[in-house]
This record gives sequence, structure tokens and C-alpha cells, in this order.
Amino acid sequence: NAGVTQTPKFRVLKTGQSMTLLCAQDMNHEYMYWYRQDPGMGLRLIHYSVGEGTTAKGEVPDGYNVSRLKKQNFLLGLESAAPSQTSVYFCASTWDIWNTIYFGEGSWLTVV
Amino acid sequence: DAKTTQPTSMDCAEGRAANLPCNHSTISGNEYVYWYRQIHSQGPQYIIHGLKNNETNEMASLIITEDRKSSTLILPHATLRDTAVYYCIVWAGNTPLVFGKGTRLSVIA
Repeated sequence: NAGVTQTPKFRVLKTGQSMTLLCAQDMNHEYMYWYRQDPGMGLRLIHYSVGEGTTAKGEVPDGYNVSRLKKQNFLLGLESAAPSQTSVYFCASTWDIWNTIYFGEGSWLTVV
Repeated sequence: DAKTTQPTSMDCAEGRAANLPCNHSTISGNEYVYWYRQIHSQGPQYIIHGLKNNETNEMASLIITEDRKSSTLILPHATLRDTAVYYCIVWAGNTPLVFGKGTRLSVIA
């Protein structure tokens, strides 16, 4: 049981490049989330999904897009990376809103 | 807007109880108090949650005041591995979990 797996774990991008972060969970969870965490700060919600085929905006959605084509995967896309998007990205999932949320190990993204 | 107030940092001697306070004076009747922690560079980890009764599990105890305006997370015998940022969150479950800045707990040998 892998839990919540994020790919890649580390990536360096040039300004303007695009990339996709993949979050995969093997727990049959309905809810999935993408957070970002800047140094010394708490986690901020980017986008989330309450089920396959659904997505919704969080606190800081600008510059990101997401897709949930399969229940087990939640993709976070950066169409044109900016240095302000340098951060650690965490994916999370849960069965429903009343249950424990499980987090992945994080993806470190640097935009130069 | 932050719905909870926590101290920025705390120290605790190894083997002693760590008591982490949290103020949530505007908590609604249907909101639970959740605690998560984040060990350096890892994803947050669930610790415990409660509505109005005190709760205990294998990791910690949660004490909620009768008026529910504050709570305390207790780690009964802190170890060096408990050094982490601890997040107190009030949550009704109808929106995604929102994290504040938390309390940085340093357990000292």
C-alpha cells in the first residue's frame, strides 16, 4: 500500500516552461487536494477535487490548472512557470471530509 | 482569516509533557478541533480531533474547554522525534482543510 505518491519529487524549471505534477493514491479516496508551502509558511490550498471528473479552486489557484480524469490521480499543471511558483507542493487525499487526510511526501519545485 | 491562534514556538524537555495551546474563540457549534503536525520537510500527519469532549489516542490527548473557545494538545512524554510544527485547525468539514502557521515545537535533550 503506497498511500499518496507524488511525482516528481524534485524539479528545476526555467521561467515560462510548463510541467505537470502527478498525485496518485491507492486508497480509493474521493477527495484530493493540492497545497503549496513556501519557506516558513503554512500550507495554502491551490485546487481540490471532491470526486472523479470534478475540480474546484482553493485559496491560491492562479497560475495552476488541475484535472481528475481518474479517481486515483490528481494532476497539477503549471502552464507558464514563474519564479513565484518556487515552492514545495503537497498532495493529499481522504475518503470523505470527516476522515483523516493523508499527505504525500512533497514535490520540491524551483523556477529560475 | 485565521480562525485559530497558536504561539509561534515552544520548547519542551525530552521526557516531559508538551502542552500546546490553541485559541479558537469564534468556533461554531458544528466545527471540530483538529490537530496535525509536520515534521521537517514531510507532509502533515494527522494527530487527533474532537468536538467537545476530551479525546485520547496513542499519540496524544486533546483537552477542549467547556466553552470550546480553546484547547490544548498534550504529548505525554515528548521525544526528540516529536520536534515538528503543530497545526490546530477548526473545521466543519464542508470546506477543505485550511492550515495556519502553527506552533514550532522543539524537544530538547
